[in-house]
Amino acid sequence: DTGVSQNPRHKITKRGQNVTFRCDPISEHNRLYWYRQTLGQGPEFLTYFQNEAQLEKSRLLSDRFSAERPKGSFSTLEIQRTEQGDSAMYLCASSPRTGNNEQFFGPGTRLTVL
Amino acid sequence: AQKITQTQPGMFVQEKEAVTLDCTYDTSDQSYGLFWYKQPSSGEMIFLIYQGSYDEQNATEGRYSLNFQKARKSANLVISASQLGDSAMYFCAMRANQAGTALIFGKGTTLSVSS
Repeated sequence: DTGVSQNPRHKITKRGQNVTFRCDPISEHNRLYWYRQTLGQGPEFLTYFQNEAQLEKSRLLSDRFSAERPKGSFSTLEIQRTEQGDSAMYLCASSPRTGNNEQFFGPGTRLTVL
Repeated sequence: AQKITQTQPGMFVQEKEAVTLDCTYDTSDQSYGLFWYKQPSSGEMIFLIYQGSYDEQNATEGRYSLNFQKARKSANLVISASQLGDSAMYFCAMRANQAGTALIFGKGTTLSVSS
């Protein structure tokens, strides 16, 4: 399967703990995006990488959120000191260098903060 | 600021019938892209169809077509010959003038197809 993969698929954590999610994009895609989706809403953009450069991060929800893509391949999204309001689906997408920016999404990581 | 509006929270259709899902958008950009995604209960977002703002023809992909009315700022998705497997959440999305930027999504429409 050469689609976007995300791990873990589900994460349950206690309030105050740190969590890290991983995204592996489609191998030839140089663009990678993180979105958050809460129940009954469409995905909400968080941040965007082109290769290893983080070109947009102003939409990260707070300074507790950070993302990296150190070698321009996989990416991680970290949430520090989780809060109950962080409970959501975290989606990763990738798109190729050329084309219309069709973004191909992974299956998501569902976070539950107790 | 860009905005996507989907006014139909839920739609119901019988198998083999056609259905139109509404989407209106707001942008001051001249160049933009419009997308439709399907999200089944499994959660994965599936890309369906794309329309560029300068495309003169309406986009089509199999049973999906996009009814693009630029002056009205609408980009409705038409699904012909509905199938039970079409039951899902459908999202309309827009990207701003540059490729590689974020997609802005609407709140979605839940489509239920019955036999």
